Amino acid sequence: GQNIDQPTEMTATEGAIVQINCTYQTSGFNGLFWYQQHAGEAPTFLSYNVLDGLEEKGRFSSFLSRSKGYSYLLLKELQMKDSASYLCAVRRSDYKLSFGAGTTVTVRA
Amino acid sequence: DADVTQTPRNRITKTGKRIMLECSQTKGHDRMYWYRQDPGLGLRLIYYSFDVKDINKGEISDGYSVSRQAQAKFSLSLESAIPNQTALYFCATSVGANSNQPQHFGDGTRLSIL
Repeated sequence: GQNIDQPTEMTATEGAIVQINCTYQTSGFNGLFWYQQHAGEAPTFLSYNVLDGLEEKGRFSSFLSRSKGYSYLLLKELQMKDSASYLCAVRRSDYKLSFGAGTTVTVRA
Repeated sequence: DADVTQTPRNRITKTGKRIMLECSQTKGHDRMYWYRQDPGLGLRLIYYSFDVKDINKGEISDGYSVSRQAQAKFSLSLESAIPNQTALYFCATSVGANSNQPQHFGDGTRLSIL
């Protein structure tokens, strides 16, 4: 089975950094995705990790440790438009995705 | 134009009615998926298809059926809707296996069963 845990909510100030953690237990691992979802909208792809280490994409970075079943998404230089839910999704060996419940990030001025 | 289009965007209907949600894509992807999203539960997979006429159950397929008659179209049906099927439904597509390419989501269908 799948068990993916991430915090429910986080709040941060504009210009700051926020780190969203995701821990997972899965039968067969084939990559981890992070998605951003604004309220009432479609999830959009942010990052992908399949090997251990850090992947950087502009203001967003994602880290993976397969041995620990752990990932984080780092959002730097926060902007108001970053207020959204962030979804951690683990791809299993059968290529299906299992999603965490999402972390709602609120950016305050 | 959106690459993954869902219709309708919103639907309110009554218990016991049959409902069909449509999904079409212009991305040329082989794989298509239907999810539902409920507050606090995240996205859960209902059905998925890896090719035309290929149908596979996800984790919560009871009460739902799907049809994949063409590569670009994947429809989801609720044969007899019940209130606990009230949710936000998303269609998604992806390329084949052994890829780092993500799933691409439509804009969602908000379904309310009264």
